[in-house]
Amino acid sequence: DAGVTQSPTHLIKTRGQQVTLRCSPKSGHDTVSWYQQALGQGPQFIFQYYEEEERQRGNFPDRFSGHQFPNYSSELNVNALLLGDSALYLCASSLWAGGRPQHFGDGTRLSIL
Amino acid sequence: SQKIEQNSEALNIQEGKTATLTCNYTNYSPAYLQWYRQDPGRGPVFLLLIRENEKEKRKERLKVTFDTTLKQSLFHITASQPADSATYLCALGIYNQGGKLIFGQGTELSVKP
Repeated sequence: DAGVTQSPTHLIKTRGQQVTLRCSPKSGHDTVSWYQQALGQGPQFIFQYYEEEERQRGNFPDRFSGHQFPNYSSELNVNALLLGDSALYLCASSLWAGGRPQHFGDGTRLSIL
Repeated sequence: SQKIEQNSEALNIQEGKTATLTCNYTNYSPAYLQWYRQDPGRGPVFLLLIRENEKEKRKERLKVTFDTTLKQSLFHITASQPADSATYLCALGIYNQGGKLIFGQGTELSVKP
């Protein structure tokens, strides 16, 4: 049973560029959440998708957008990249009902030069 | 402002001893609290979940307590082993915010043989 898979594992971009990160949830899960984790910090919630709609959003600018597909997979898009966007981006899947454990992928390490 | 604080200093203990990690929060009324383990370069792995109406949960060598009056959770690892060395994250789930998790910054645990 495959867990959460993310691609790519590493990415290097320059300021002003755009990036798309991808996530396939654990089999049987219908909800995908995205988190940003800076070095030495805990993950920060970006947004959550269920039934192809954004259901919750954290304190992130509109440069961060996402999408969920009918097969529950998801993409995170970041436009106009800033140096401060350098971080580990984590995808987590779960069942929609609240209070469930989240299953995380190993993330995409994004470096902005 | 709303805060979640974990032991900011790394915790160093001897093999066989009990490790106790602290998670304090202010200005939240969490519906539940989760603990995760994170190894370097990997995504967080779910360990335990405790709900607001529960005082204590156990799983093998792990125990978590939840005191909503003190606004504190304690996470214990008994008979600790070097393989328990990792960063441990606490995360709050809030009513009416779906599966959104608010993470603390994590505590790094090192168990010496």
